[in-house]
Amino acid sequence: RKEVEQDPGPFNVPEGATVAFNCTYSNSASQSFFWYRQDCRKEPKLLMSVYSSGNEDGRFTAQLNRASQYISLLIRDSKLSDSATYLCVVNRNNQGGKLIFGQGTELSVKP
Amino acid sequence: NAGVTQTPKFQVLKTGQSMTLQCAQDMNHEYMSWYRQDPGMGLRLIHYSVGAGITDQGEVPNGYNVSRSTTEDFPLRLLSAAPSQTSVYFCASRADRGLGYTFGSGTRLTVV
Repeated sequence: RKEVEQDPGPFNVPEGATVAFNCTYSNSASQSFFWYRQDCRKEPKLLMSVYSSGNEDGRFTAQLNRASQYISLLIRDSKLSDSATYLCVVNRNNQGGKLIFGQGTELSVKP
Repeated sequence: NAGVTQTPKFQVLKTGQSMTLQCAQDMNHEYMSWYRQDPGMGLRLIHYSVGAGITDQGEVPNGYNVSRSTTEDFPLRLLSAAPSQTSVYFCASRADRGLGYTFGSGTRLTVV
C-alpha cells in the first residue's frame, strides 16, 4: 500500500463547478501536510499547507482529519486556469526533510 | 533571489556514463531533497539533507550519490547511468521541516 494515496482522476468539470479531492495517508506519525499544484511539464508549486483546524485561501479550502488520516482539497467556482495535477504531500517531521508525495489527481476544467 | 536553480535542464547520457546534476539555492534553506518523477509513479524521494554535512536516503537511492558540503549546494551524482534512470529530476529546498518545499525547474534526463 502506498504511504499517500490519491484518486488519479482525471476529473473533468465545467467552469464554475465545485470539485473535491481526497487523499489518505498511512503513517500516523505524519505531522505536516500540504497541497501542491503541478502544471504539465513544470515543477510542483506549493498551493497551501493544511492545518488541523482547516484553512481557506480564496476559492480553495483544505481540511485535515487526523483520526481518519484523511486530507481534502475543495475548489469552488473552478476556472480554466485551475486545470493541473494536484498533489497531496505529507511529512513525518521526526524524519526531517522526508516529504512523501501522492501520485496526484488530474483536473481538467472545461468552458 | 534566484530560488532553486538546477542545471542542466536537459541531458542525454549513454548507458554506463556518469554525471552530476547540479542544484543550488540562495535562500539559506537547511533542508534539500532530490526527487525523480516518472509517468504513473509520481514524485519519489531519492536522497535528502537536513543541513550541511548531513544526508540520508529516500525511497529510491540506488544508483545515486549525494553530498552536502555547503548549505547552498546539493549535487546528485549518477554513478553508472542506466535506461531505468531516464526521468525528470527535481531538486527542492525549504527553510524548516514544518514548511513546504520550493522546487527547481527540473532536469530531463534520457539514458540511451
